[in-house]
Amino acid sequence: KAGVTQTPRYLIKTRGQQVTLSCSPISGHRSVSWYQQTPGQGLQFLFEYFSETQRNKGNFPGRFSGRQFSNSRSEMNVSTLELGDSALYLCASSLGFDEQFFGPGTRLTVL
Amino acid sequence: GNSVTQTEGPVTLSEEAFLTINCTYTATGYPSLFWYVQYPGEGLQLLLKATKADDKGSNKGFEATYRKETTSFHLEKGSVQVSDSAVYFCALSEGRYGGSQGNLIFGKGTKLSVKP
Repeated sequence: KAGVTQTPRYLIKTRGQQVTLSCSPISGHRSVSWYQQTPGQGLQFLFEYFSETQRNKGNFPGRFSGRQFSNSRSEMNVSTLELGDSALYLCASSLGFDEQFFGPGTRLTVL
Repeated sequence: GNSVTQTEGPVTLSEEAFLTINCTYTATGYPSLFWYVQYPGEGLQLLLKATKADDKGSNKGFEATYRKETTSFHLEKGSVQVSDSAVYFCALSEGRYGGSQGNLIFGKGTKLSVKP
């Protein structure tokens, strides 16, 4: 069974731009969660989608948004990028009530 | 709010030494507890989990016991190997037995280096 895949693996953007990251969950998984990992703040939960509905949301500004498609694939979008948005963005999938399986992450650098 | 506190790293051990990484949590209700491991350049891998008090999770020689009375979930391994060098994260999720587990709360991580 293929694992969680994230694209792209690396991104470089400049301040003020917007970016879209993609996550394909494990086949059959209906839940996708997104996390931001930085050296200073560690791992922080962004949001979770289950069956195309946002089920949980972390404490991030409205510039961070996401969505989930009918095939459970998910995208997250960050608008008006700031330097502090540079981070490793991790996606995790699950059946919705059990352990989460993480992808390799997308490394975003904002210049 | 819910939170997780774990041993601040880095932790450096010699091969075959005993490992303990402490993890304590603050949570309402009955959270599930997890240990994840992150190798350089990779995402997180689930190492072990426990979903109720007194449960012991174990995998690859690592083990941790869910202690509700001390709100702890310490990670232990009797004899570490160089290949165990990685960053270890303790995490909790609210809800069990079908509750939502989409929101994991992580500790800051503990970097372990094992020398030959």
